[in-house]
Amino acid sequence: ELKVEQNPLFLSMQEGKNYTIYCNYSTTSDRLYWYRQDPGKSLESLFVLLSNGAVKQEGRLMASLDTKARLSTLHITAAVHDLSATYFCAVDKAGNMLTFGGGTRLMVKP
Amino acid sequence: DSGVTQTPKHLITATGQRVTLRCSPRSGDLSVYWYQQSLDQGLQFLIQYYNGEERAKGNILERFSAQQFPDLHSELNLSSLELGDSALYFCASSVGETAAYEQYFGPGTRLTVT
Repeated sequence: ELKVEQNPLFLSMQEGKNYTIYCNYSTTSDRLYWYRQDPGKSLESLFVLLSNGAVKQEGRLMASLDTKARLSTLHITAAVHDLSATYFCAVDKAGNMLTFGGGTRLMVKP
Repeated sequence: DSGVTQTPKHLITATGQRVTLRCSPRSGDLSVYWYQQSLDQGLQFLIQYYNGEERAKGNILERFSAQQFPDLHSELNLSSLELGDSALYFCASSVGETAAYEQYFGPGTRLTVT
């Protein structure tokens, strides 16, 4: 059974600081997704990572994938308050379902 | 706005009742996925339909069922509701048959069972 673990579960950081969210998964997978969810809202797709070594960047967020280590990271650079949200990684393993991590609730304080 | 619509936005009902949640996929998408998000279980995949046929099943209870209609909208039926069924229910749609295709999430239906 595919398991996806994120850490930390909660992250409080100051504006301007850098931090990394980790996503580990238990078996080989075909694709890894990162989503953002604002409180009470839907999920917004951030990145799709398809292959080992894949790196994608959008603004202050950068996601990478190491399939050998079964690890993806979401790096936040010079955080701003607007990045406050819950971030989920999700893994697809050659099937029709996504398995989600538990989410990382990020709070960026001025 | 993802282009996926869900109704109703909120639903409050009593234990033992039955409700129907509705989802309309993005134009051109043939797959509809249903997910449940709750505090204790997190985000869980329930079921997928592609072009009217069931394609994959996740942690869906026997009290729950779904279908996809010829116009591609989908309904999730929840019966004999229990307090623990209170959750946010999302549907997502994609153009293809497998999870290889990016899924676009609707705004969700918040179900409260009292």
